[in-house]
Amino acid sequence: DAKTTQPNSMESNEEEPVHLPCNHSTISGTDYIHWYRQLPSQGPEYVIHGLTSNVNNRMASLAIAEDRKSSTLILHRATLRDAAVYYCILNNDMRFGAGTRLTVKP
Amino acid sequence: DAGVIQSPRHEVTEMGQEVTLRCKPISGHDYLFWYRQTMMRGLELLIYFNNNVPIDDSGMPEDRFSAKMPNASFSTLKIQPSEPRDSAVYFCASSFMGMTEAFFGQGTRLTVV
Repeated sequence: DAKTTQPNSMESNEEEPVHLPCNHSTISGTDYIHWYRQLPSQGPEYVIHGLTSNVNNRMASLAIAEDRKSSTLILHRATLRDAAVYYCILNNDMRFGAGTRLTVKP
Repeated sequence: DAGVIQSPRHEVTEMGQEVTLRCKPISGHDYLFWYRQTMMRGLELLIYFNNNVPIDDSGMPEDRFSAKMPNASFSTLKIQPSEPRDSAVYFCASSFMGMTEAFFGQGTRLTVV
């Protein structure tokens, strides 16, 4: 079983920020937190990853709790193209849970 | 690099036949993963290799499934004999040192009738 838990679904309005949470309470000191997303009829694609510090890239930001038992993927302005299933995994495990299905409303 | 390449993209076969799925990882990557995705079970990790050696095959569902990685550029997932419940999309992914991002192929959609 995956070592992460996420809400099954979330909704957002277009051009509004989205905060996708993930719990990983059994994370070890060497685990990196990785986020992927899967668009319809495609394979998962990498979004962002981090170890302890918050991370930013062109796609999103990753906020990691101080105890590292949870993290949040932040999409600053959701677009219709961001509608996908978002997965949070630990790199030393590489098992995917059910993920969060994000719906973006125009 | 063309990314992770999987073949075939689609496969339709009859129950009882042998099926071989192929994967070419990104050059230089030392980790290779095989996943299966269905609506019921989601994305399941079947097996992964490090430097061509199988490390964890606990996700392989039955002895009918086998995977090999004869060299750093090629891996196969074989199902013999195939059954209708094996129908799924099979993904291959590769990564460097297991810490950086994994890159996924486009998948092989397998239908067993």
